[in-house]
Amino acid sequence: EVQVVESGGDLIQPGGSLRLSCAASGFSIRSNYMSWVRQAPGKGLEWVAIIYSGGTTFYSESVKGRFTISRDNSKTTLFLQMNSLRADDTAVYYCARMSGARYDDLRGHLYDAMDVWGQGTTVTVSS
Amino acid sequence: DIQLTQSPSLLSASVGDRVTITCRASQGVSSYLAWYQQRPGKAPKLLIYGASTVQSGVPSRFSGSGSGTEFTLTITSLQPEDFAIYYCQQLNAYPLTFGGGTKVEIK
Repeated sequence: EVQVVESGGDLIQPGGSLRLSCAASGFSIRSNYMSWVRQAPGKGLEWVAIIYSGGTTFYSESVKGRFTISRDNSKTTLFLQMNSLRADDTAVYYCARMSGARYDDLRGHLYDAMDVWGQGTTVTVSS
Repeated sequence: DIQLTQSPSLLSASVGDRVTITCRASQGVSSYLAWYQQRPGKAPKLLIYGASTVQSGVPSRFSGSGSGTEFTLTITSLQPEDFAIYYCQQLNAYPLTFGGGTKVEIK
């Protein structure tokens, strides 16, 4: 079965660090583009970061310079290293597979949607 | 950033109704538009990608249309399990953005 399972969420003080993990089964993280998406309590969805199969990464402005998306050497686990955490980082964090990932000579890297989502892991930033 | 505006934000409907949700983009996103359903306490579920392609396993009562800046999600004959929040997402440019969501509630 194709699935992802997030872990690592916790209650953390402002300014602290946390590393989230996303374990994939049924497919290779290395061969896919993967994203992190978060959802603050009672709010909508916010894209956080993406990593291409080739290792290129992009971030939302709200986390750039503080968060790092990466993969492990076995390429079965995705990570999100979160530093300098703030109260507004409080959210459920989801990892998601990007479907239809491909490269186009004119448009560059393309993908269709986020087709596999985990159940999420909760990060609460509070003193 | 590309802003996505969904309307309505709240939709009251009955089982069997046909409902339409609109997503307008602040600039053109071609057909790089997806729709998701989120039930309470659950992860989002992909319904539509490429503006109009129904994801495998999604009931045929869900359909999507549009391109450029205006898109619609239509649910024909609303079922009890369809009462949820629906989000559109653009995948044309960074940052990837979502609409604010449309809550479909029981009338």
